[in-house]
Amino acid sequence: EVQLVQSGGGLLEPGGSLRLSCAASGFTFSTTWMSWVRQAPGKGLEWVGRVKTNTENGATDYAAPVKGRFTISRDDSKNTLYLQMNGLKIEDTALYYCVTGEAPMYWGQGVLVAVSS
Amino acid sequence: SYELTQPPSVSVSPGQTARITCSGDALPKKYAYWYQQKSGQAPVVVIYEDSERASEMPERFSGSSSGTMATLTISGAQVEDEATYYCFSTDFSGHHRVFGGGTKLTVL
Repeated sequence: EVQLVQSGGGLLEPGGSLRLSCAASGFTFSTTWMSWVRQAPGKGLEWVGRVKTNTENGATDYAAPVKGRFTISRDDSKNTLYLQMNGLKIEDTALYYCVTGEAPMYWGQGVLVAVSS
Repeated sequence: SYELTQPPSVSVSPGQTARITCSGDALPKKYAYWYQQKSGQAPVVVIYEDSERASEMPERFSGSSSGTMATLTISGAQVEDEATYYCFSTDFSGHHRVFGGGTKLTVL
């Protein structure tokens, strides 16, 4: 059974930093592209970014609103995906989902990131 | 920027067929994916690669794509199918991945 267990959400002020984690199990993590998707309160889904496998140099790609501020990385030895968020803005407030693939197939439970002054 | 357009809402009676559309210029060349999100829950995949049904979804769910429009069809919709449905795809370059705005399905 595929499981994606997320952690690391919280409340912080604009300009702050936060790292989200996603522990994966039930599939071969090292050969799977992974992505992050977010959902602002009461709004639709927004693709955040993706990381390829390490055999593909862990290449990343990001949506325009987060490019240059967010970094996706992976640790295949721990089967864990990360989202480092810097320079957080109020509009980054959302539920963040860890997902398998570039087109999501399996979803984590989501963690809330709230940015407020 | 690339956009996928969905109707905001669709309403059917139980047992009727519900059709939810997703329009995008690159859909003739790019796969569409469909997700179901019930209130307070994480989304789940319903259809992938235009027409492949996810293993855990009932057979009444099907997907198709023709030209610039992808369609999610629920044949004999049930009350438990009430949810918001999102399509997902990419633009021609493959660099922009987008979700449609979502369609709220009401079955009553």
